[in-house]
Amino acid sequence: AQSVTQPDIHITVSEGASLELRCNYSYGATPYLFWYVQSPGQGLQLLLKYFSGDTLVQGIKGFEAEFKRSQSSFNLRKPSVHWSDAAEYFCAVVRMEYGNKLVFGAGTILRVKS
Amino acid sequence: DVKVTQSSRYLVKRTGEKVFLECVQDMDHENMFWYRQDPGLGLRLIYFSYDVKMKEKGDIPEGYSVSREKKERFSLILESASTNQTSMYLCASRIEFSGLFFGSGTQLSVL
Repeated sequence: AQSVTQPDIHITVSEGASLELRCNYSYGATPYLFWYVQSPGQGLQLLLKYFSGDTLVQGIKGFEAEFKRSQSSFNLRKPSVHWSDAAEYFCAVVRMEYGNKLVFGAGTILRVKS
Repeated sequence: DVKVTQSSRYLVKRTGEKVFLECVQDMDHENMFWYRQDPGLGLRLIYFSYDVKMKEKGDIPEGYSVSREKKERFSLILESASTNQTSMYLCASRIEFSGLFFGSGTQLSVL
């Protein structure tokens, strides 16, 4: 069965520090991978996606993610975190059967301390 | 700008009531989805639709049904609401190979 694992439920970083949120997937074929962000009281917003090609993907708000097939990972990174980045982050992978459903990880809550 | 609108931000219903959650998108997307979001469980797919009058079960369809009579509208129906259906419900839409566009969500409380 296909699954997405986000090992960290909560992460706290200092403002200005670098950030890495982990995501691992189990899927036999080449996956389509996504990162979403959800601010309190809001719906989810797409940060970036990977379909093919360059394994380092740039997204909005200064985020990037790197696809590593050998590690089945798609970790999200940001070199310098801002207080406004505090939110919940979800990794997702597409299931190719039945209309390309997205399967989501359980989410990582990011707290930013000043 | 892309827009997915959910009709209610907060709903409170009683056990046994029939509940309708409405979702409208203005992007002419073929695919629409209903997820529920619970702490520690992420988003779980309830139902999705890839065309008008077409629907497919997701991972947790029990206790729910859906309706898609027009391309822009996708309704989630709780036939007889139960307390374990208290949750945040998120509607989303997309075209092929794009990410999902989400509505702001409906927080449903079943008492």
